[in-house]
Amino acid sequence: DGGITQSPKYLFRKEGQNVTLSCEQNLNHDAMYWYRQDPGQGLRLIYYSQIVNDFQKGDIAEGYSVSREKKESFPLTVTSAQKNPTAFYLCASSTRAKEGEQYFGPGTRLTVT
Amino acid sequence: QKEVEQDPGPLSVPEGAIVSLNCTYSNSAFQYFMWYRQYSRKGPELLMYTYSSGNKEDGRFTAQVDKSSKYISLFIRDSQPSDSATYLCAMSGVNAGNMLTFGGGTRLMVKP
Repeated sequence: DGGITQSPKYLFRKEGQNVTLSCEQNLNHDAMYWYRQDPGQGLRLIYYSQIVNDFQKGDIAEGYSVSREKKESFPLTVTSAQKNPTAFYLCASSTRAKEGEQYFGPGTRLTVT
Repeated sequence: QKEVEQDPGPLSVPEGAIVSLNCTYSNSAFQYFMWYRQYSRKGPELLMYTYSSGNKEDGRFTAQVDKSSKYISLFIRDSQPSDSATYLCAMSGVNAGNMLTFGGGTRLMVKP
Protein backbone atom coordinates (compact mmCIF):
# COMPACT_ATOMS: atom_id res chain seq x y z
CA ASP A 1 0.00 0.00 0.00
CA GLY A 2 1.94 3.02 -1.30
CA GLY A 3 1.83 6.44 0.28
CA ILE A 4 3.39 9.12 2.41
CA THR A 5 3.45 8.87 6.18
CA GLN A 6 4.13 11.65 8.66
CA SER A 7 4.63 11.22 12.34
CA PRO A 8 3.58 12.14 14.87
CA LYS A 9 0.12 13.50 14.05
CA TYR A 10 0.25 15.95 16.97
CA LEU A 11 3.38 17.31 18.62
CA PHE A 12 3.75 19.61 21.61
CA ARG A 13 7.00 21.32 22.56
CA LYS A 14 8.23 24.02 24.85
CA GLU A 15 9.70 27.17 23.40
CA GLY A 16 13.45 26.93 22.88
CA GLN A 17 13.47 23.22 22.03
CA ASN A 18 14.33 21.81 18.63
CA VAL A 19 11.88 19.25 17.24
CA THR A 20 12.11 16.86 14.27
CA LEU A 21 9.13 15.90 12.12
CA SER A 22 9.26 12.64 10.23
CA CYS A 23 8.25 12.09 6.58
CA GLU A 24 8.55 8.75 4.78
CA GLN A 25 7.33 7.72 1.32
CA ASN A 26 7.28 4.36 -0.46
CA LEU A 27 6.15 5.72 -3.83
CA ASN A 28 9.68 5.67 -5.25
CA HIS A 29 9.41 9.42 -5.85
CA ASP A 30 12.60 11.38 -6.40
CA ALA A 31 11.39 14.73 -5.09
CA MET A 32 10.12 15.59 -1.62
CA TYR A 33 8.82 18.84 -0.13
CA TRP A 34 7.95 20.43 3.19
CA TYR A 35 5.16 23.00 3.48
CA ARG A 36 3.78 25.01 6.31
CA GLN A 37 0.06 25.87 6.52
CA ASP A 38 -1.35 28.45 8.91
CA PRO A 39 -5.09 28.81 9.65
CA GLY A 40 -7.00 30.14 6.66
CA GLN A 41 -3.87 30.31 4.52
CA GLY A 42 -2.45 28.38 1.63
CA LEU A 43 0.71 26.32 1.62
CA ARG A 44 4.12 27.93 1.92
CA LEU A 45 7.21 26.02 0.85
CA ILE A 46 9.90 25.52 3.48
CA TYR A 47 12.42 23.19 1.81
CA TYR A 48 12.49 20.79 -1.09
CA SER A 49 14.76 18.04 -2.35
CA GLN A 50 14.90 16.80 -5.94
CA ILE A 51 17.40 14.06 -5.26
CA VAL A 52 19.15 12.26 -2.42
CA ASN A 53 21.83 14.28 -0.61
CA ASP A 54 20.63 17.54 -2.15
CA PHE A 55 18.03 20.07 -1.00
CA GLN A 56 17.13 23.72 -1.53
CA LYS A 57 15.50 26.43 0.52
CA GLY A 58 11.95 27.38 -0.22
CA ASP A 59 10.19 30.66 0.52
CA ILE A 60 10.31 30.43 4.33
CA ALA A 61 13.40 28.33 5.24
CA GLU A 62 14.62 30.47 8.13
CA GLY A 63 14.55 28.55 11.42
CA TYR A 64 14.21 25.15 9.72
CA SER A 65 16.66 22.48 8.60
CA VAL A 66 16.35 19.25 6.61
CA SER A 67 18.35 16.23 5.50
CA ARG A 68 17.90 13.77 2.63
CA GLU A 69 20.12 10.78 3.30
CA LYS A 70 17.68 8.27 1.84
CA LYS A 71 15.26 8.50 -1.07
CA GLU A 72 12.36 7.48 1.16
CA SER A 73 12.96 9.90 4.00
CA PHE A 74 12.99 13.70 4.36
CA PRO A 75 12.90 14.78 8.03
CA LEU A 76 12.32 18.42 8.98
CA THR A 77 13.81 19.99 12.10
CA VAL A 78 12.11 23.04 13.54
CA THR A 79 14.78 24.88 15.46
CA SER A 80 14.49 27.32 18.33
CA ALA A 81 15.38 30.06 15.84
CA GLN A 82 11.96 29.75 14.19
CA LYS A 83 10.01 32.72 15.56
CA ASN A 84 6.51 31.32 15.17
CA PRO A 85 6.70 27.53 14.86
CA THR A 86 3.11 26.62 15.77
CA ALA A 87 1.51 25.45 12.51
CA PHE A 88 0.35 22.50 10.45
CA TYR A 89 3.28 20.92 8.58
CA LEU A 90 2.76 18.98 5.37
CA CYS A 91 5.18 16.75 3.53
CA ALA A 92 4.73 15.94 -0.17
CA SER A 93 6.49 13.97 -2.88
CA SER A 94 6.45 13.89 -6.67
CA THR A 95 7.85 12.01 -9.64
CA ARG A 96 9.49 13.57 -12.68
CA ALA A 97 7.13 11.52 -14.85
CA LYS A 98 4.25 13.89 -14.20
CA GLU A 99 5.23 17.54 -14.04
CA GLY A 100 3.79 19.46 -11.13
CA GLU A 101 1.79 16.63 -9.55
CA GLN A 102 2.50 16.32 -5.84
CA TYR A 103 1.10 13.88 -3.32
CA PHE A 104 0.71 14.87 0.31
CA GLY A 105 1.03 13.15 3.65
CA PRO A 106 -1.55 13.53 6.45
CA GLY A 107 0.34 16.34 8.18
CA THR A 108 1.76 17.03 11.64
CA ARG A 109 0.24 19.69 13.86
CA LEU A 110 2.98 21.28 15.94
CA THR A 111 2.14 23.39 18.97
CA VAL A 112 4.91 25.28 20.74
CA THR A 113 4.17 26.99 24.06
CA GLN B 1 -0.23 41.08 -5.51
CA LYS B 2 -0.13 37.32 -5.04
CA GLU B 3 0.71 35.15 -8.03
CA VAL B 4 -2.44 33.07 -7.48
CA GLU B 5 -5.62 34.57 -6.03
CA GLN B 6 -8.47 32.55 -4.59
CA ASP B 7 -11.53 33.75 -2.71
CA PRO B 8 -11.25 32.30 0.82
CA GLY B 9 -15.02 31.97 1.30
CA PRO B 10 -16.66 30.37 3.13
CA LEU B 11 -19.00 29.38 0.34
CA SER B 12 -22.22 27.85 1.66
CA VAL B 13 -24.58 25.98 -0.69
CA PRO B 14 -27.52 23.59 -0.28
CA GLU B 15 -27.08 19.92 -1.09
CA GLY B 16 -27.54 19.23 -4.79
CA ALA B 17 -26.35 22.66 -5.93
CA ILE B 18 -23.76 23.24 -8.62
CA VAL B 19 -20.63 24.74 -7.09
CA SER B 20 -18.16 26.94 -8.93
CA LEU B 21 -14.72 27.52 -7.43
CA ASN B 22 -12.23 29.82 -9.13
CA CYS B 23 -8.65 31.02 -9.19
CA THR B 24 -6.94 33.79 -11.09
CA TYR B 25 -3.23 33.97 -11.71
CA SER B 26 -0.70 36.41 -13.10
CA ASN B 27 2.16 34.20 -14.36
CA SER B 28 1.64 33.33 -18.02
CA ALA B 29 4.29 30.58 -17.74
CA PHE B 30 1.92 28.32 -15.78
CA GLN B 31 0.97 25.29 -17.86
CA TYR B 32 -0.12 22.68 -15.32
CA PHE B 33 -3.16 23.28 -13.17
CA MET B 34 -4.33 21.27 -10.21
CA TRP B 35 -7.15 21.23 -7.72
CA TYR B 36 -6.66 19.75 -4.28
CA ARG B 37 -9.35 18.97 -1.70
CA GLN B 38 -8.39 19.29 1.95
CA TYR B 39 -10.58 18.10 4.77
CA SER B 40 -10.12 19.69 8.16
CA ARG B 41 -6.83 18.67 9.83
CA LYS B 42 -5.88 16.39 6.90
CA GLY B 43 -3.38 16.57 4.07
CA PRO B 44 -4.52 17.86 0.65
CA GLU B 45 -5.75 15.23 -1.79
CA LEU B 46 -5.21 15.68 -5.53
CA LEU B 47 -8.60 15.99 -7.20
CA MET B 48 -7.99 17.19 -10.75
CA TYR B 49 -4.91 17.68 -12.93
CA THR B 50 -5.00 19.49 -16.25
CA TYR B 51 -2.42 20.61 -18.76
CA SER B 52 -2.80 23.88 -20.68
CA SER B 53 -6.27 25.12 -21.66
CA GLY B 54 -9.52 23.22 -21.92
CA ASN B 55 -11.87 21.14 -19.81
CA LYS B 56 -11.44 17.89 -17.95
CA GLU B 57 -14.27 15.93 -16.41
CA ASP B 58 -14.14 13.26 -13.71
CA GLY B 59 -17.47 12.14 -12.32
CA ARG B 60 -19.19 15.11 -10.67
CA PHE B 61 -16.09 17.30 -11.05
CA THR B 62 -15.11 19.42 -14.05
CA ALA B 63 -11.92 21.46 -14.23
CA GLN B 64 -11.74 24.31 -16.70
CA VAL B 65 -8.68 26.33 -17.72
CA ASP B 66 -8.81 29.60 -19.67
CA LYS B 67 -5.21 30.64 -20.21
CA SER B 68 -6.14 33.73 -22.22
CA SER B 69 -7.93 35.11 -19.16
CA LYS B 70 -5.54 33.48 -16.64
CA TYR B 71 -8.54 31.95 -14.93
CA ILE B 72 -9.26 28.41 -13.79
CA SER B 73 -12.42 26.88 -12.38
CA LEU B 74 -13.61 23.75 -10.65
CA PHE B 75 -17.28 22.83 -10.97
CA ILE B 76 -18.94 20.35 -8.67
CA ARG B 77 -22.30 19.00 -9.78
CA ASP B 78 -24.91 17.57 -7.41
CA SER B 79 -22.88 18.72 -4.41
CA GLN B 80 -22.96 16.52 -1.31
CA PRO B 81 -22.28 17.28 2.37
CA SER B 82 -19.16 15.10 1.99
CA ASP B 83 -17.82 17.71 -0.46
CA SER B 84 -17.51 20.16 2.44
CA ALA B 85 -13.80 20.93 2.56
CA THR B 86 -11.23 23.52 1.57
CA TYR B 87 -10.34 23.50 -2.12
CA LEU B 88 -6.86 24.63 -3.11
CA CYS B 89 -5.80 25.46 -6.63
CA ALA B 90 -2.15 24.95 -7.57
CA MET B 91 -0.11 25.70 -10.69
CA SER B 92 3.24 24.93 -12.21
CA GLY B 93 5.26 25.99 -15.21
CA VAL B 94 7.04 23.74 -17.71
CA ASN B 95 10.48 22.71 -16.47
CA ALA B 96 9.72 24.31 -13.12
CA GLY B 97 11.14 21.29 -11.33
CA ASN B 98 7.72 20.22 -10.09
CA MET B 99 7.42 23.39 -8.02
CA LEU B 100 3.87 24.42 -7.27
CA THR B 101 2.34 27.79 -6.51
CA PHE B 102 -0.80 27.51 -4.40
CA GLY B 103 -3.84 29.65 -3.96
CA GLY B 104 -4.99 30.35 -0.41
CA GLY B 105 -7.92 27.93 -0.63
CA THR B 106 -11.71 28.31 -0.65
CA ARG B 107 -13.70 26.78 2.17
CA LEU B 108 -16.88 25.10 0.90
CA MET B 109 -19.82 24.08 3.09
CA VAL B 110 -22.59 21.95 1.59
CA LYS B 111 -25.63 21.92 3.83
CA PRO B 112 -28.05 18.96 3.87
